[in-house]
Amino acid sequence: DVVMTQSPLSLPVTLGQPASISCRSSQSLVYTDGNTFLNWFHQRPGRSPRRLIYKVSKRDSGVPDRFSGSGSGTDFTLQISRVEAEDVGVYYCMQGTWSPFTFGQGTKLEIK
Amino acid sequence: QVQLQQWGAGLLKPSETLSLTCAVYGASLSSDYWSWIRQPPGKGLEWIGEISHDGSTKYNPSLRSRVTISVDTSKNQFSLNVNSVTAADTAIYYCADFRSWGQGTLVTVSS
Repeated sequence: DVVMTQSPLSLPVTLGQPASISCRSSQSLVYTDGNTFLNWFHQRPGRSPRRLIYKVSKRDSGVPDRFSGSGSGTDFTLQISRVEAEDVGVYYCMQGTWSPFTFGQGTKLEIK
Repeated sequence: QVQLQQWGAGLLKPSETLSLTCAVYGASLSSDYWSWIRQPPGKGLEWIGEISHDGSTKYNPSLRSRVTISVDTSKNQFSLNVNSVTAADTAIYYCADFRSWGQGTLVTVSS
């Protein structure tokens, strides 16, 4: 199985400041068709996850443009340009290139 | 807008079979891929498996021998069965195409 490793696991951030989460995979996530199926999800307590980013850097409909994804191969990053109160919760990366699909451990973002 | 609504029994005894169903609104099951994911209380997410538009399935090897995902295209629903459950199967179960998610069903396995 592909192991997804996130860092940090805890991320205290001041409102209005940027935040960055790293996600590394144990093998390349580039599929045979050239696509890289790396997703980012946000989960608030008691809620279902919400996808923010797919294929490394494509924002889902309705996702604020302060969220951006980047990376390639085995090394990926989610960036929030200016953290807002509604951004608290847990962020997960997930690879959908190789079965079984696997998630990172989660990064808990909180407001300082 | 795609919406997923799921249901199923929330309390099971060890060795029983977990059965959940997910109805899809606003999209056809004959397109895309449809997954089940679970989350033990207070823990992370685990992908269980998926069924594709052509009915083919992929399962997580950690559960493969006990899991079946099926589809009823006439009702635009897909289902999850996990047999021989134990306390380790206690979790919130979600259906999703990853862009859209069901509301989650807490399944507790206890004698």
